[in-house]
Amino acid sequence: TQLLEQSPQFLSIQEGENLTVYCNSSSVFSSLQWYRQEPGEGPVLLVTVVTGGEVKKLKRLTFQFGDARKDSSLHITAAQPGDTGLYLCAGAGGTSYGKLTFGQGTILTVHP
Amino acid sequence: DAGVIQSPRHEVTEMGQEVTLRCKPISGHNSLFWYRQTMMRGLELLIYFNNNVPIDDSGMPEDRFSAKMPNASFSTLKIQPSEPRDSAVYFCASSPDRAGANVLTFGAGSRLTVL
Repeated sequence: TQLLEQSPQFLSIQEGENLTVYCNSSSVFSSLQWYRQEPGEGPVLLVTVVTGGEVKKLKRLTFQFGDARKDSSLHITAAQPGDTGLYLCAGAGGTSYGKLTFGQGTILTVHP
Repeated sequence: DAGVIQSPRHEVTEMGQEVTLRCKPISGHNSLFWYRQTMMRGLELLIYFNNNVPIDDSGMPEDRFSAKMPNASFSTLKIQPSEPRDSAVYFCASSPDRAGANVLTFGAGSRLTVL
């Protein structure tokens, strides 16, 4: 069974601070995705990383895929209250097409 | 596109009752997934379909759960009889049928409370 561990589980910070969320596994994934979920809504895809060592930027968000494709990180610069939400990483791979393994998620709260 | 549409958004029922959740995937998406989300277990894949055919139902908790996809634009997840431990948010998601894409678009979810 492929498992993804996210840390931290909870993060409460002030507006303007930087933060990093980690997603780790002992398994290799063909790609890794990050989703953001707001209360009462479904997860929304932020980014997909495919190549080991890949770095992608989405405005103030920077995503990195580990060289061995077993881990990933999400870094947010100068967090804003609008960044508040549940951040989920999800790994794709294994023998079943389309079967994503989700991490438990990180609940981020950014206080004004 | 209206996205993935789920109904009902909220369902409160009593233990032992039958519950049917519905999903309309994005038009043209050939893969459909049912997930369950709880605080304790996070997002769990229950079952997924490709071209209306169930591919992997290993996540379905037990025989009380069943899912169907009679055509490309509709799927149901049924729980009969329901139990309090089934209380969760159930998400439907769809994906284009492209190898390696694995990009899911989720619906807004159906929040189920079984009393």
